[in-house]
Amino acid sequence: SQQGEEDPQALSIQEGENATMNCSYKTSINNLQWYRQNSGRGLVHLILIRSNEREKHSGRLRVTLDTSKKSSSLLITASRAADTASYFCATGAGTALIFGKGTTLSVSS
Amino acid sequence: ETGVTQSPTHLIKTRGQQVTLRCSSQSGHNTVSWYQQALGQGPQFIFQYYREEENGRGNFPPRFSGLQFPNYSSELNVNALELDDSALYLCASSLYRDNEKLFFGSGTQLSVL
Repeated sequence: SQQGEEDPQALSIQEGENATMNCSYKTSINNLQWYRQNSGRGLVHLILIRSNEREKHSGRLRVTLDTSKKSSSLLITASRAADTASYFCATGAGTALIFGKGTTLSVSS
Repeated sequence: ETGVTQSPTHLIKTRGQQVTLRCSSQSGHNTVSWYQQALGQGPQFIFQYYREEENGRGNFPPRFSGLQFPNYSSELNVNALELDDSALYLCASSLYRDNEKLFFGSGTQLSVL
């Protein structure tokens, strides 16, 4: 079963635009993570936000967390063609990370 | 690029066969987890090994088994392969068992015919 659900499923933008993707989850969490996956390859950890944090930045990434709504958003500013990938949110459940189905981002030049 | 390596990168098997996938963890990481990712889906947790012991298991049948060795490398074994086992298998290592940051390998693409 999947805890997180990303929205939208797919997103197409032009280089230089901002990309926002959302994640909703079902149960209480200690933290929420975002990962990126380039086509057919392994996942790369982007950022972790703890349940007592509301916003976190890393380079061009901004993550927000609203525990009352059980939701998170990932904003990528000034997108580049190299940002084309699938993005997954993940929440911890004991020893497992539970991933959503992901948002596929396409950035065209 | 992470320091996690997986082999082989691609594999084709027929239904009923057995397969062994291998993973070399990032240096210093004593925890390894395996995930199955079907096409168009997010990764699903198979199990985790910590210091050579199974430390948690997802909703996968016993024909999925694993090993972790003293050097923290790991194997995933799947017996009696079924068509639905076709997927990308991902190995991930971490410094702690709490999964706060996983380092993934590039995966093994398994096709069962």
